Amino acid sequence: GNSVTQMEGPVTLSEEAFLTINCTYTATGYPSLFWYVQYPGEGLQLLLKATKADDKGSNKGFEATYRKETTSFHLEKGSVQVSDSAVYFCALYGGSQGNLIFGKGTKLSVKP
Amino acid sequence: DTAVSQTPKYLVTQMGNDKSIKCEQNLGHDTMYWYKQDSKKFLKIMFSYNNKELIINETVPNRFSPKSPDKAHLNLHINSLELGDSAVYFCASSQGWGGTEAFFGQGTRLTVV
Repeated sequence: GNSVTQMEGPVTLSEEAFLTINCTYTATGYPSLFWYVQYPGEGLQLLLKATKADDKGSNKGFEATYRKETTSFHLEKGSVQVSDSAVYFCALYGGSQGNLIFGKGTKLSVKP
Repeated sequence: DTAVSQTPKYLVTQMGNDKSIKCEQNLGHDTMYWYKQDSKKFLKIMFSYNNKELIINETVPNRFSPKSPDKAHLNLHINSLELGDSAVYFCASSQGWGGTEAFFGQGTRLTVV
């Protein structure tokens, strides 16, 4: 079945540092890939998505490219802010219920 | 307007009680889900509901039951609550099975004491 492996956190960075959160997947076919973000005390929000190989999703300075050859969808941001502190989830569809399958989440803390 | 809304946001109750969490979406989606998030933030699918077809995660105890009065609502009923049911429960919706973006509610933090 489909699955997602995400780097474990927590990740602590200083403001303006470069961020990479690794995500690799196992899937039948080429499902759409997603990054969701969960701010403290809130629900999940879609951050970005890519629907086919070589697509780049981007939003709020975050980017991720759908790499078929390495089955990866790494999240990057060139300069993080304190307000980016949150838990980030990589996801794809393919559960037995037609549901999103999530990685375990990576907690990011950005210090001023 | 909130796209997916859940009530209540917090729920504290005693072991053995029966409780419900309500979920409504105003996006016109035809598929709704319930997820459970544990203390380590891991998200686990509990139920998917599409056009009156319910798919149950077989690992979910039968004390949990979803009820959908119409396409815009998917409520979660929990009987005989146990300490291990303490978690954050998220409702979500999407258009169709898989492939498209899912929208999530704010979550309900359930604490069983």
